[in-house]
Amino acid sequence: DAGVIQSPRHEVTEMGQEVTLRCKPISGHNSLFWYRQTMMRGLELLIYFNNNVPIDDSGMPEDRFSAKMPNASFSTLKIQPSEPRDSAVYFCASSLDGGWNTEAFFGQGTRLTVV
Amino acid sequence: AQSVAQPEDQVNVAEGNPLTVKCTYSVSGNPYLFWYVQYPNRGLQFLLKYITGDNLVKGSYGFEAEFNKSQTSFHLKKPSALVSDSALYFCAVRDIIESGKLIFGQGTTLQVKP
Repeated sequence: DAGVIQSPRHEVTEMGQEVTLRCKPISGHNSLFWYRQTMMRGLELLIYFNNNVPIDDSGMPEDRFSAKMPNASFSTLKIQPSEPRDSAVYFCASSLDGGWNTEAFFGQGTRLTVV
Repeated sequence: AQSVAQPEDQVNVAEGNPLTVKCTYSVSGNPYLFWYVQYPNRGLQFLLKYITGDNLVKGSYGFEAEFNKSQTSFHLKKPSALVSDSALYFCAVRDIIESGKLIFGQGTTLQVKP
């Protein structure tokens, strides 16, 4: 398996523009996580899906952020409109969960810069 | 709420010496604990986990971790550090009470000097 695949790897956009980050989890995995990493705040969980259903979105910063998982092999994280403070590395991770004792596998991340 | 804490922002050790990266946890019920490593400009890589059983868990790249229930700790260790071990290390806990989400500590930078 190719692992968790994220695209794009790098994104530079202007403030106010819409940004869409994409993630393909490992085939067969049924849990998916979106994280944001910054120097100031470390690694923050934004949203967690299980079997394509959002289970915990308490980490989503505000209404500008939205995430979807239309099927088991694809998820998106959208920011609209984007702001400079959204600049960060966004990671997607997936795991095969039977009882929450399994490890998550991370993608390479998307480095977002909002200017 | 479930949480983990890494009390050290950075750990410095000489190559060949033993290393310890500390992690303490706060959970309700039995903890599911994990260690990950992040190299520059890369995603996180899984090192090892504790679910149940033996308190000493062995993982990738010669790392091990000791689960201590009385001290609520899960410290990462390696008998002999390598310069290539220099990276950012994260401890994590699975929130099995509320939602199953994976919660990370703030990370510890390990610097191994030749």
